[in-house]
Amino acid sequence: EVQLVESGGGLVKPGGSLRLSCAASGFTFSTYSMNWVRQAPGKGLEWVSSVSSDSRYIFYADSMKGRFTISRDNAKNSLYLQMNSLRAEDTAVYFCARAPGSGIDYKDVWGKGTTVTVSS
Amino acid sequence: EIVLTQSPGTLSLSPGERATLSCRASQSVNNNFLAWYQQTPGQAPRLLIYGASSRATGIPDRFSGSGSGTDFTLTISRLEPEDFAVYYCQQYGRSPRTFGQGTKVEIK
Repeated sequence: EVQLVESGGGLVKPGGSLRLSCAASGFTFSTYSMNWVRQAPGKGLEWVSSVSSDSRYIFYADSMKGRFTISRDNAKNSLYLQMNSLRAEDTAVYFCARAPGSGIDYKDVWGKGTTVTVSS
Repeated sequence: EIVLTQSPGTLSLSPGERATLSCRASQSVNNNFLAWYQQTPGQAPRLLIYGASSRATGIPDRFSGSGSGTDFTLTISRLEPEDFAVYYCQQYGRSPRTFGQGTKVEIK
């Protein structure tokens, strides 16, 4: 079964850091681009970051540049998001999502998400 | 950045009725790289349509996508109880990838 499972969410104070993980199974992880997408409470979907299958190409939404770092370990079938300098507006459910890659970037498999709450 | 505007914000319909959802882009979407997702409360989004009109694996044929350039439509031919949800469009033709704000299809 194709599956993505996020972990690492939690409560963190403003200015703090958190590292999210996404464990992939049931498919050849190293051949797909991967993404992080978030959803603030009661709001819509917001693309956060993406990484190509070989980590050569990495992109961020403008509001995350310089604060968030996406990475992957193909040997461990895992995707990561290091989040620093967190703000209240980063409070959201963070989903990891698979995409075919090579510029084809619809998200065909999603995890259930992990919740990040930034509050003092 | 391409802004996607979905309309209407909420669609109130009865089971068995036809739903027509619109997604309008502020600029032409390259190669019609437009996807539609369905999200029910507390769940992850599910891919319905990619490339504006191709159904994803396992998606019933009552869901169809159409359109090109800046105007796209998702049609649900006959609403089933499980179709009442929020629907999002997303363009992947240009960076940054962007989502519409969503259309909620609710039971009338």
